Amino acid sequence: GNSVTQMEGPVTLSEEAFLTINCTYTATGYPSLFWYVQYPGEGLQLLLKATKADDKGSNKGFEATYRKETTSFHLEKGSVQVSDSAVYFCALSDHSWGKFQFGAGTQVVVTP
Amino acid sequence: DADVTQTPRNRITKTGKRIMLECSQTKGHDRMYWYRQDPGLGLQLIYYSFDVKDINKGEISDGYSVSRQAQAKFSLSLESAIPNQTALYFCATSDSQVGYGYTFGSGTRLTVV
Repeated sequence: GNSVTQMEGPVTLSEEAFLTINCTYTATGYPSLFWYVQYPGEGLQLLLKATKADDKGSNKGFEATYRKETTSFHLEKGSVQVSDSAVYFCALSDHSWGKFQFGAGTQVVVTP
Repeated sequence: DADVTQTPRNRITKTGKRIMLECSQTKGHDRMYWYRQDPGLGLQLIYYSFDVKDINKGEISDGYSVSRQAQAKFSLSLESAIPNQTALYFCATSDSQVGYGYTFGSGTRLTVV
């Protein structure tokens, strides 16, 4: 079946540091891939997405590239801010399945 | 107003009580979902509905039931709450074009004592 594996947290880093959160997936067919962000006390918000191989999703300085050959969708940001402290979820949706599969989430803590 | 509204935001209930969590959406989406979130486990799908007459069990439906009262409303019930149902519950909607992603509500924090 479909699955999403992302790196465990918490990830703690200083402001202006480079952030990478690894995400790999297993799926039949050609899924769409997503990153969601959950700020404290809030629901999940769509951060970025990619719907086919080699697509790059980007938003708010975050980027992720859909790599079919390595079944990965790693999230990166070049210079994090304290306001980026949140839990980040990688997810996939198989178009033939119609539902989403989420990773376990990675907590990111950015210190001043 | 939020696109997806969940009520209540927080609830404490006793073991054995019946409780209903409500979700309404203004997105006009046909598809609605209920997830629960537990620390370190991500989101687990409880039930989903692709239209008013279509209700499906998710990964962890035992102990839960749902009702799709209208396109815009999808409620989740715990018939007899137990402590291990203490969790954060999210409702979500999506278009039939799944490439657009989900829209989530703000969640209901449920504590069963």
